[in-house]
Amino acid sequence: GQSLEQPSEVTAVEGAIVQINCTYQTSGFYGLSWYQQHDGGAPTFLSYNALDGLEETGRFSSFLSRSDSYGYLLLQELQMKDSASYFCAVKNLYNTDKLIFGTGTRLQVFP
Amino acid sequence: DTEVTQTPKHLVMGMTNKKSLKCEQHMGHRAMYWYKQKAKKPPELMFVYSYEKLSINESVPSRFSPECPNSSLLNLHLHALQPEDSALYLCASKQLKFCKQYFGPGTRLTVT
Repeated sequence: GQSLEQPSEVTAVEGAIVQINCTYQTSGFYGLSWYQQHDGGAPTFLSYNALDGLEETGRFSSFLSRSDSYGYLLLQELQMKDSASYFCAVKNLYNTDKLIFGTGTRLQVFP
Repeated sequence: DTEVTQTPKHLVMGMTNKKSLKCEQHMGHRAMYWYKQKAKKPPELMFVYSYEKLSINESVPSRFSPECPNSSLLNLHLHALQPEDSALYLCASKQLKFCKQYFGPGTRLTVT
């Protein structure tokens, strides 16, 4: 099967840098996505890594190491509005229209 | 238009009621999804429609009945629900062969 593990909670202060890890177990792989979800809101797509390395989008970067079955989301210059839940996700091997979500990490940013 | 809309935003229903959730997108996406999400948990896939045909049913109880009348609309018909079905129901869509899913704001369902 496929499973993705994330830390349940991460805390940080405004202006800091935080890294949210995602460790996955899957016998095949189509890339790693990240979604952000504010309380009461919809998940929104942040990034996608198909290949190893770092993808940067403004204050957010996402990294993938397929050899280590590991990825992370890096958030820089943290703002209060970054307080949210973050989910990594991979495509199901047998039906690529299906996403498997990680367990989710709740990020709390303090002033 | 890069938006998925859902109605209603909130719904309270009794266990004997019949209600429907609606989802709409005008991005030309041919894959549409229903997810159920409990507090502090990831979205849990319920159904996937591809080209208006049901392609995935994640062994969802028959009290949930999906319908895709056309390529822009997705409905979820609810009947004889249980209190444990109370959750946020999310609709999503995407272009086939792409990874990015666009989620609607969800319907917060409470079953009394």
